[in-house]
Amino acid sequence: GAVVSQHPSRVICKSGTSVKIECRSLDFQATTMFWYRQFPKQSLMLMATSNEGSKATYEQGVEKDKFLINHASLTLSTLTVTSAHPEDSSFYICSARRLALGYNEQFFGPGTRLTVL
Amino acid sequence: DAKTTQPTSMDCAEGRAANLPCNHSTISGNEYVYWYRQIHSQGPQYIIHGLKNNETNEMASLIITEDRKSSTLILPHATLRDTAVYYCIVLLKTSYDKVIFGPGTSLSVIP
Repeated sequence: GAVVSQHPSRVICKSGTSVKIECRSLDFQATTMFWYRQFPKQSLMLMATSNEGSKATYEQGVEKDKFLINHASLTLSTLTVTSAHPEDSSFYICSARRLALGYNEQFFGPGTRLTVL
Repeated sequence: DAKTTQPTSMDCAEGRAANLPCNHSTISGNEYVYWYRQIHSQGPQYIIHGLKNNETNEMASLIITEDRKSSTLILPHATLRDTAVYYCIVLLKTSYDKVIFGPGTSLSVIP
């Protein structure tokens, strides 16, 4: 299957700072990427859909000014958590959509563990 | 909202078949059944998908009932490394659908 990477895999930051997480599709082009958040013992929650060259679409209840998404190329999307607070500590996972033969295949990254002190 | 219901948890003895059920009574004719799993602290992994015929690959088999209102994922010989949360998802196969996760089934494979 196709490979999606995330960087960093773990990050610890102080409250009030901003953190950038990168999501890359390594061997295919992804016009659409998705960002999820997962709290302990809970399922993945979709935060936003990132479209190459256009603004991201955020799910209800997700603050677009706090979670900045940039999808500047067909292989890279970034999520920036601005002014992070301890409640933003979570496991952030991206996925990239590859259109193969006209149908939907999504591949997930390994996740980034964010801890805000 | 997730369109599927699954048991919260299941146990399976190592080496035995694990049968994970999923109900999707409101599935529409052009929606597929997808299965993913998530091993602790990792990203989700695609397992298998199907429309109405039974499907098999190197990881698992997918059995879909004739009315398509339910399905069963079968891991034929479960190993300890199959311990994970398994998600059954109904999804259009077109380019416009996104993967929405329900709570899934936590499968524990027991030695």
